[in-house]
Amino acid sequence: EIVMTQSPATLSVSPGERATLSCRASQSVSANLAWYQQKPGQAPRLLIYGASTRATGIPGGFSGSGSGTEFTLTISSLQSEDFAVYYCQQYNKWPSTFGQGTKLEI
Amino acid sequence: QMQLQESGPGLVKPSETLSLTCTVSGASGSFRSYYWSWIRQPPGKGLEWIGYIYHSGSTMNNPSLKSRVTMSIDTSKNQFSLKLSFVTAADTAIYYCARQTVGAYGSNLFFDSWGQGTLVTVSS
Repeated sequence: EIVMTQSPATLSVSPGERATLSCRASQSVSANLAWYQQKPGQAPRLLIYGASTRATGIPGGFSGSGSGTEFTLTISSLQSEDFAVYYCQQYNKWPSTFGQGTKLEI
Repeated sequence: QMQLQESGPGLVKPSETLSLTCTVSGASGSFRSYYWSWIRQPPGKGLEWIGYIYHSGSTMNNPSLKSRVTMSIDTSKNQFSLKLSFVTAADTAIYYCARQTVGAYGSNLFFDSWGQGTLVTVSS
């Protein structure tokens, strides 16, 4: 199965700053990659699919880029509600797999 | 607005079978247009896709769980279910049901709606 590796494990950023999260695949997944946000006690929420397409209702401050094996999620100006754990997921090859997550903390 | 809700026992004994049901409300005609998946998350850890079922009853499971997974669907009630047999402590997790988009040629894509999750603990 494809292994997804996210870095860093924890990212400390101040409100108003920009955050850049990385996700690497062990083999090419083309652009078949999604990003999710998970807050404590909640289910994950879809942010990005197709590597760069924002899901319905997701603010423009979230953007995704990359293809092949290297992907990035950028949050342009961090708000208090953005501090959470972020997961990437590849759906290019069965079984679909997730990264281990990046915790974005203040 | 579509919602998913998991239900089932929160405690299961080792070697027994975990059984969960997901009820989908507000799906209108979309119940037949998506894959319906189960995903789990051990406490404090990451996400693992368990498998999906389609309205036709066809299923696909994660090979990591071998043949322990059984899924079923009741389209008349907009419900789908998961059974995981011979559970151990390693199966303790929050179990989520989710809607999974179907891509070209039936490929399974991303998860765009999730239930709130239910914690299942395996312990005697």
